[in-house]
Amino acid sequence: AQTVTQSQPEMSVQEAETVTLSCTYDTSESDYYLFWYKQPPSRQMILVIRQEAYKQQNATENRFSVNFQKAAKSFSLKISDSQLGDAAMYFCAYKGAQKLVFGQGTRLTINP
Amino acid sequence: GAVVSQHPSRVICKSGTSVKIECRSLDFQATTMFWYRQFPKQSLMLMATSNEGSKATYEQGVEKDKFLINHASLTLSTLTVTSAHPEDSSFYICSAGRQGQTQYFGPGTRLLVL
Repeated sequence: AQTVTQSQPEMSVQEAETVTLSCTYDTSESDYYLFWYKQPPSRQMILVIRQEAYKQQNATENRFSVNFQKAAKSFSLKISDSQLGDAAMYFCAYKGAQKLVFGQGTRLTINP
Repeated sequence: GAVVSQHPSRVICKSGTSVKIECRSLDFQATTMFWYRQFPKQSLMLMATSNEGSKATYEQGVEKDKFLINHASLTLSTLTVTSAHPEDSSFYICSAGRQGQTQYFGPGTRLLVL
């Protein structure tokens, strides 16, 4: 079965700085998708960014970018110019042929 | 696009009663919807996959007779918690699939059973 591991339960960053959240996964599938979701205090799950495994180019969405290392099964999220509104739980997720699998989450705090 | 709504956002009920939660995809059709449960400070746990026009697929350990799922149309799935008990109190979230593998989530329903 596929597993997703987020080794950082909590992270903090100074406003306007850059922070990287780690995610690793385990799979034997060759075709899959990876996602980062954000869950603010409202608890609404918000899609931040997605990456297709067959694409070598790292996905980017404005201040959010990923470092996708397929051979290492690593999928980290970089947030540039951190803003107070970025404070949330961040979940890494994997989707192959079966169900969407989530990591344990990383709580990100932004220090003003 | 890709908006998913959930109703109600919060519900309090007495032990032994049933509660229905609706999940709607507002601007797209979803042949498959998903129901999750989330305990405080934990990740999302998939309860079941709701398929339009057929029976839901439940994850191991989830009682199908307690958590009834109906996928009435391509835009609506409902979760009914039957004979609710305090241990059923939780945060329930639905999602709908679009663009292949991407899931979009509803805002969640906080259930409190007294």
